[in-house]
This record gives sequence, structure tokens and C-alpha cells, in this order.
Amino acid sequence: QAQLVESGGGVVQPGTSLRLYCAASAFTFSSHGMHWVRQAPGKGPEWVAFLSHDGRTIYYADAVKGRFTVSRDNSKNTLFLDMNSLRADDTAVYYCAKPLWEYSYGEVFDYWGQGTLVTVSS
Amino acid sequence: EIVLTQSPATLSLSPGERATLSCRASQSVINYLAWYQQKPGQAPRLLIYDTSNRATGIPARFSGSGSGTDFTLTISSLEPEDFAVYYCQQRYVWPPLTFGGGTKVEIK
Repeated sequence: QAQLVESGGGVVQPGTSLRLYCAASAFTFSSHGMHWVRQAPGKGPEWVAFLSHDGRTIYYADAVKGRFTVSRDNSKNTLFLDMNSLRADDTAVYYCAKPLWEYSYGEVFDYWGQGTLVTVSS
Repeated sequence: EIVLTQSPATLSLSPGERATLSCRASQSVINYLAWYQQKPGQAPRLLIYDTSNRATGIPARFSGSGSGTDFTLTISSLEPEDFAVYYCQQRYVWPPLTFGGGTKVEIK
């Protein structure tokens, strides 16, 4: 079954940058759009960003638009999230999530990674 | 942005009892509503998509219903492993994809 492994989280100061990674395996990564979803402590999930299978379509949540950049390397089955100008309210567990359907823009997530914790604090 | 409101916030029930969880959307999502289960320290797990379709491996005691703005997740007879937090999510109008605030099903 599909596997997603996030990494790159940590404790950073406000205003700094971080890059998250999501390594995918056991499914055809290049056929799936991919998402980042975050979850602040004690809160529900919050969708962050989407990147289509071919990299041509990108969507961001308003809260991260202009600060975060999603990208992918289909040759390495890896999804990235570059986070700049980090703020305290970006503190969350960040998950990459795989949609149920290939090539789809109608999204439900059948696989999630274990998440990577980003803590923004001075 | 479509806002999803879940109720109740907490449901206190005993094993074997029936659980009924509600999700209300701020505008119609047709039937494009999914449910997830989350246990402490774990990622959400897809239970139901498009209102009533069980995901692979999900037991038949989980069922979903509704349309438009009002949706229900029913667990017919609670098993010990069902005590968790449940979230609804819409995919009809996005970005952004949106999730509800969750319902915690706890042991009474």
C-alpha cells in the first residue's frame, strides 16, 4: 500500500524559513496531484496547498499564499514545501496527503504521512 | 469558503451504543462530503467519501448519509477502537478544501 514519509520539521524562529519533504512510495506518484495539510495542536486539519501531477496547477490557502511554495520531483517521488516568513500561527504538524484518484481535482485523501512537526517560536 | 460545522463537539457513549455525528455546510456541497477518523498521535484515516461510500477496509458499522448542507455519520454499534475524533471534509468548492472542527467520541 502507498506510503508517505514527511521530514524537515523542527523548531525555528519567527521570520525564518524551512523546507519540508514528503517521500512517496508504493504508488504511481507521477499520476497523482498531491496536497499538504496541517494541523495545529488541538485543532482540526487545515488544507495548505495542492500541486497537480504534472506541476502545472498550484493552489494555496490564503493563510500561506505568498510565503509557502509547493513543488515536486516526479523522478524522485518527492513532494516539497518551502516555507518562508514563518509565523507563530504556522506551528502545526504538517502532513502530505495522497488523493484517492489519479489525475483528479476532486480531492479526498486515502493516504497520509505520519506528519512532521513545525514549531515557530522565539 | 465553505464552512463545515460539526455537532456535537463531544459525544459520550458506551461500547455497543449507536453514534450519530452531524456535519452542516454553509452552502450546498451536493454529496461531496467525506469523513475521517483520527486517533491521538495518528494521521486522519479516510472512512467515507462522497457522503456514503466506505473507503477500502472500513467496517460496515460505519455509514454516511445526507445531501446538500446536512450530513450524518453513523456508527451502528461502537467498538472500543472507534473512540476517536471524527472530521468531515468537503471537496465540492475549492480551493480551499475545508474540514469541520471535529466531534470527539469518548467513552461514557
